[in-house]
Amino acid sequence: EVQLVESGGGLVQPGGSLRLSCAASGFTFSRYSMNWVRQAPGKGLEWVSYISSSSSPIYYADSVKGRFTVSRDDAKNSLSLHLTSLRAEDTAVYYCARETGSFDSWGQGTLVTVSS
Amino acid sequence: QSVLTQPPSVSGAPGQRVTISCTGSSSNIGAGFDVHWYQQVPEAAPKLLIYANNNRPSGVPDRISASKSGTSASLAITGLQAEDEADYYCQSYDNSLTNSRVFGGGTRLTVL
Repeated sequence: EVQLVESGGGLVQPGGSLRLSCAASGFTFSRYSMNWVRQAPGKGLEWVSYISSSSSPIYYADSVKGRFTVSRDDAKNSLSLHLTSLRAEDTAVYYCARETGSFDSWGQGTLVTVSS
Repeated sequence: QSVLTQPPSVSGAPGQRVTISCTGSSSNIGAGFDVHWYQQVPEAAPKLLIYANNNRPSGVPDRISASKSGTSASLAITGLQAEDEADYYCQSYDNSLTNSRVFGGGTRLTVL
């Protein structure tokens, strides 16, 4: 069974940084492209970032470009998202999702709250 | 404002049929990119409902279907059940934004 488990969320001040992780199991992680998708409280889904199975190419939404960095460690079956220069509007639940054309598997999400 | 436009809400009585539209443009759905649909029940992660325009993953009942035409797509649910009450999102790709995956704004389905 495919499992994706996010961690690392929490409360951070504006301008601060945070690193999110996504632990994958139940499939050969190295063969799949992965994404981060976020959902602000009471709002819809917003795609954040994509990383291919080979770590190149990598893409970001304009709203996070230059501030967020996605990476993967296939040896540890792990996906990461490094969030910097955080703003109030980055407050959201962050999901990792496996991509097979569609986002066929999702984690349960981790909440990031940016507030002073 | 989302790149893909969905109605904010739809509703129907148990047993009825409802449809949810997803309107895009020539840079996404109209460019031939596949449309996918997700269901999100309250306090849960999204779940893939339809992939590649009209394909159901294992476990999704056949009373759920979808189609795509031109710059739009549509999700249909027949024999509406209380468990269908959820938010529904369409998703595609847009070539006017660097390799962006794009979502619709979401539609809340209420079962009356």
